[in-house]
Amino acid sequence: AQSVTQLDSHVSVSEGTPVLLRCNYSSSYSPSLFWYVQHPNKGLQLLLKYTSAATLVKGINGFEAEFKKSETSFHLTKPSAHMSDAAEYFCVVTAYTNAGKSTFGDGTTLTVKP
Amino acid sequence: DAGITQSPRHKVTETGTPVTLRCHQTENHRYMYWYRQDPGHGLRLIHYSYGVKDTDKGEVSDGYSVSRSKTEDFLLTLESATSSQTSVYFCAISPQGSSYEQYFGPGTRLTVT
Repeated sequence: AQSVTQLDSHVSVSEGTPVLLRCNYSSSYSPSLFWYVQHPNKGLQLLLKYTSAATLVKGINGFEAEFKKSETSFHLTKPSAHMSDAAEYFCVVTAYTNAGKSTFGDGTTLTVKP
Repeated sequence: DAGITQSPRHKVTETGTPVTLRCHQTENHRYMYWYRQDPGHGLRLIHYSYGVKDTDKGEVSDGYSVSRSKTEDFLLTLESATSSQTSVYFCAISPQGSSYEQYFGPGTRLTVT
């Protein structure tokens, strides 16, 4: 079994300030973890992935995430928010043993204020 | 962008009518998935395929069926549409050996009246 909890449904930051989007997961197997971004009325785009290599993962557009097994967390961060970062973000857990069946978190809406 | 298209992009249909949504890929990826997206629920897996004629159910499969007769096409059918199936439907593809990272289509907005 696997599950994902995104701890904040909405996060609001000012442009130029750091972003933190929190994600906790559970999985019976060693999981792959992903963050996807969805801009309004668009499809989903892969931001970054963790697949049991380096625990600090860098993605596109300056985002990164750290896998912490002891805390079962995979939080997404960015040092300085940009207006274009305003979107919905999804944390996803996938088990190798299950043909890639993925479980999505409910999403976090990021608002960036000027 | 991954070569993945969905058709139609928008559809309005009446309760009780059958509806088929099509997902087409040009990437020759093994895995294909159908999700629905509803406010407050993220994306939920309806059905998935791990090869031609090989499909399995996801977490919200009731009322839906799928078929995959060719690598490039994955069809989602609502046999008798209900208002609870009003949603945005996304198809995704994933190559074998990729750690299952998925690439998404643009979505189909379905309204059942």
